Amino acid sequence: AQRVTQPEKLLSVFKGAPVELKCNYSYSGSPELFWYVQYSRQRLQLLLRHISRESIKGFTADLNKGETSFHLKKPFAQEEDSAMYYCALSMGAQKLVFGQGTRLTINP
Amino acid sequence: EAGVAQSPRYKIIEKRQSVAFWCNPISGHATLYWYQQILGQGPKLLIQFQNNGVVDDSQLPKDRFSAERLKGVDSTLKIQPAKLEDSAVYLCASTLAGGYNEQFFGPGTRLTVL
Repeated sequence: AQRVTQPEKLLSVFKGAPVELKCNYSYSGSPELFWYVQYSRQRLQLLLRHISRESIKGFTADLNKGETSFHLKKPFAQEEDSAMYYCALSMGAQKLVFGQGTRLTINP
Repeated sequence: EAGVAQSPRYKIIEKRQSVAFWCNPISGHATLYWYQQILGQGPKLLIQFQNNGVVDDSQLPKDRFSAERLKGVDSTLKIQPAKLEDSAVYLCASTLAGGYNEQFFGPGTRLTVL
């Protein structure tokens, strides 16, 4: 069955420290993976997608098919990065399966 | 460009009552989704429409949930009768048809069933 696992429900780091939010997936086909983010009092929105191979707000994520992972990284955390982060897997037909989410808190 | 609109934003009902949620997607977006997000979990797809046709409703509890998108634009999601476990945020999202397009989400409707 298709599944997305985010092992950390809560993650707290200090401003300026590196951040890594973990995401592992289970899917027999060719995966398309995304990170969505929800800032306080805002809507869920796309942060980045692996197919674009882009860096958004200093975040990057590399698809590792061998480890079935798509971890989100940022070298220097900023206070405005505090939010809920969801990893999502597309199984085709534009259908997404979301992980449970990680609440990231950046301490000053 | 206007975003996805949803109403109401909050709803409190008693179990066994009925409730309906409304969604207006971004203009021109052919694909519309309803998700259920229970506290502490990620969004779970309930139903996906392409224009006014259902693409996937495999996770929709059809004994109590129904959804329609009659003219291929607005959509309504109904629960009848509601159970305590239906307490959740109901999210509507839309996207352009085809490819791995970004899904745009509405603000959600927070349902509390007492």
